Amino acid sequence: LAKTTQPISMDSYEGQEVNITCSHNNIATNDYITWYQQFPSQGPRFIIQGYKTKVTNEVASLFIPADRKSSTLSLPRVSLSDTAVYYCLVGGGADTDKLIFGTGTRLQVFP
Amino acid sequence: DAGVTQSPTHLIKTRGQQVTLRCSPISGHKSVSWYQQVLGQGPQFIFQYYEKEERGRGNFPDRFSARQFPNYSSELNVNALLLGDSALYLCASSLEGQGPKHTEAFFGQGTRLTVV
Repeated sequence: LAKTTQPISMDSYEGQEVNITCSHNNIATNDYITWYQQFPSQGPRFIIQGYKTKVTNEVASLFIPADRKSSTLSLPRVSLSDTAVYYCLVGGGADTDKLIFGTGTRLQVFP
Repeated sequence: DAGVTQSPTHLIKTRGQQVTLRCSPISGHKSVSWYQQVLGQGPQFIFQYYEKEERGRGNFPDRFSARQFPNYSSELNVNALLLGDSALYLCASSLEGQGPKHTEAFFGQGTRLTVV
């Protein structure tokens, strides 16, 4: 399974756009890119998943360049409630039977 | 619709005891996975069950076991508890046992296990 690298922490202010980039140089052809959000003492929450180009839903956008060796989660106009740990995962091919979490990016949003 | 439910929410056990954690997946989801999360780390995969059969096992000792019932609910058992087993135990359900419908998983709130 492809290893992912993402910043340990990021700070932002309310109302700003936050972009968290994840590197996955060894991504396989059939791998998807998935992002989760986790608040303290809660289970991770699925945010968004994509394979290539751009995916957008009601909470975030996911940008994936053509080589797929990285991806960027974009959170528009963050609020204090977006303070959480964000995990980038790579997998989802036919042989994927588990989620591999790294240490994630701890996002702190200030007023 | 009800999400993934886990019970109990908190548990305190003594070293050497045994514990059973329970999980009910989202209706229609056939895959249930278990994860262990210690403070400051990401969740670590323990087991996946799909259609009542073990589909995957993580790097955990044989003290950890699980099963899935005909209604797709699941139990995680841990025997001979050690202090190091103290963690948040998470259950995740997904539509499929592999592929993108597996990686789009829904987690419960977890069971906080403290071993003293």
